[in-house]
Amino acid sequence: DAGVIQSPRHEVTEMGQEVTLRCKPISGHNSLFWYRQTMMRGLELLIYFNNNVPIDDSGMPEDRFSAKMPNASFSTLKIQPSEPRDSAVYFCASSSADAEGDTQYFGPGTRLTVL
Amino acid sequence: GQNIDQPTEMTATEGAIVQINCTYQTSGFNGLFWYQQHAGEAPTFLSYNVLDGLEEKGRFSSFLSRSKGYSYLLLKELQMKDSASYLCAVRAGYKLSFGAGTTVTVRA
Repeated sequence: DAGVIQSPRHEVTEMGQEVTLRCKPISGHNSLFWYRQTMMRGLELLIYFNNNVPIDDSGMPEDRFSAKMPNASFSTLKIQPSEPRDSAVYFCASSSADAEGDTQYFGPGTRLTVL
Repeated sequence: GQNIDQPTEMTATEGAIVQINCTYQTSGFNGLFWYQQHAGEAPTFLSYNVLDGLEEKGRFSSFLSRSKGYSYLLLKELQMKDSASYLCAVRAGYKLSFGAGTTVTVRA
């Protein structure tokens, strides 16, 4: 079975540009999470969707960040405009209420560098 | 709020045993997870504890004491490929809060 799929795997952009990260969760999973990982702050939850509906976006740093989940198999995280401090690895994870403990499974991540 | 503590680094010899401790203070508890993360890769699920006691999965075991807010991950018969960061994570509701991770280095 395919795991969580993310694209692109690497993104290098210049300050002020728009960045869009994409995620395809595991088929049948009804929860989707976006995380950001940095050396300084570790893994932080940005936003949580359940059945395609945003439930908790309290971790989204500021209005420059937005996320959508138009259907059960696709989500995007957009940063506009991007800033150097947004440089990090962004992970998407999905889970199912049928799984033990609602275990979250992570995608390979997108390494974002903003120059 | 959530407070999850684990050691920053540990070093052990191939074939040995290493125990990674995790203490937590959280508002709400629905389970404790351990993830393994190799450098440059995604966290991968290792174990889940929701009741007190020991869960064993091959060379890896995880223990939980809810009253003490304490867990450990035991890695036995260490192999070079076990060199990685190990993340303790506590679930409260839908939210997973992660510790900073323990970097384990296995030496030959």
